[in-house]
Amino acid sequence: DIQLTQSPSSLSASVGDRVTITCRASQNINNYLNWYQQKPGKAPKFLIYDVSNLQSGVPSRFSGSGSGTDFTLTISSLQPEDFATYYCQQSYSTPTFGQGTKVEIK
Amino acid sequence: QITLKESGPTLVKPTQTLTLTCTFSGFSLSTSGVGVGWIRQPPGEALQWLALIYWDDDKRYSPSLKSRLTITKDTSKNQVVLTMTNMDPVDTATYSCAHIKVHRGALFEYWGQGTVVTVSS
Repeated sequence: DIQLTQSPSSLSASVGDRVTITCRASQNINNYLNWYQQKPGKAPKFLIYDVSNLQSGVPSRFSGSGSGTDFTLTISSLQPEDFATYYCQQSYSTPTFGQGTKVEIK
Repeated sequence: QITLKESGPTLVKPTQTLTLTCTFSGFSLSTSGVGVGWIRQPPGEALQWLALIYWDDDKRYSPSLKSRLTITKDTSKNQVVLTMTNMDPVDTATYSCAHIKVHRGALFEYWGQGTVVTVSS
């Protein structure tokens, strides 16, 4: 299994803040890295694929970057509806997810 | 519009076999480049991928659970069934199915709401 390690596990931020979440893979995953957003009691929502490609309908304040083993999800200006838990997922081999990063209101 | 819905028992006893059904609409599992996967989430914990099946009947399983899982599809009924044997209380979780878009690997594009399964005697 390819392991994905996210950091931080949780963070507190205010509306308007720039937020960055990191995902590190245990081996090179050739940019097969995707991101999901999950709100409490809801199904995950597919946000970004192949490191930096936004799924249709995802606001442009979300962006992804990185390569090889180190990847980043950035929210440029945090909005009230963005408070959620974010998961990275690799699709290079049998799928695995990171442990999640909870974005809370400061 | 793609929708998926999970169904199955809410309570199973230890050592029993769990059978879950994913009924979907808005796509066909006979279409190239499509699949359905199962993912679970224990209370307060992270997502864990379990199994997936592709349009061509290719099947993949989580290595740590492979011996306990079986995934099948019924294209005519738009259903995918997951069975998990020898259930244990640690298997208590919300079990979800998801539509897969095959693009450089499996992308979980649309998700069902999930079904809560509790394992207890």
